[in-house]
Amino acid sequence: GENVEQHPSTLSVQEGDSAVIKCTYSDSASNYFPWYKQELGKGPQLIIDIRSNVGEKKDQRIAVTLNKTAKHFSLHITETQPEDSAVYFCAASTMEYGNKLVFGAGTILRVKS
Amino acid sequence: NAGVTQTPKFRVLKTGQSMTLLCAQDMNHEYMYWYRQDPGMGLRLIHYSVGEGTTAKGEVPDGYNVSRLKKQNFLLGLESAAPSQTSVYFCASIPQTEDFSGNTIYFGEGSWLTVV
Repeated sequence: GENVEQHPSTLSVQEGDSAVIKCTYSDSASNYFPWYKQELGKGPQLIIDIRSNVGEKKDQRIAVTLNKTAKHFSLHITETQPEDSAVYFCAASTMEYGNKLVFGAGTILRVKS
Repeated sequence: NAGVTQTPKFRVLKTGQSMTLLCAQDMNHEYMYWYRQDPGMGLRLIHYSVGEGTTAKGEVPDGYNVSRLKKQNFLLGLESAAPSQTSVYFCASIPQTEDFSGNTIYFGEGSWLTVV
């Protein structure tokens, strides 16, 4: 089955700097890659996603890149703000029966002001 | 998230006790999921359902049972709770769609379960 690895497990950046979180996946059949943000005491919230037919997607300060050959994808947050502090999860799915997502272990992002 | 409600939010159980977590969604979604979240391990799928009357095992199904008697409800049961089941449990739902989009995934707020 699919296995998703996420790095780093914790990341501290200064406000205004960029943050990059990387994930690798094992199943070449995976074709959907979402990123979730989870704040303390809340459920995960989708922040951006990308499909395998696209190499990059951007939404304001957030971008995701995908390298299908290397089987890795990354989340880029520019001009970080204190409210970006949270736990971020990557995930992968083959969108087969059940549309099941396999999650990475998460990255704790701290933005210092 | 609006639309997916989990009850209870917090529960402390003694080893060997049983309990049921309820997930209710009012969005007419076909697919529903139960995940557990443990420190350093992300979210792991316990069981899922692709429609009323269906259930299937996920990555970590042992010690849990589920039922989907009504489309809007997905119940997660622990027949004999163990300390290893101390975790945060999240329910999620999506409509059935061939053009899967994560924008349609709705997670509940979580249920904190402690087994002592």
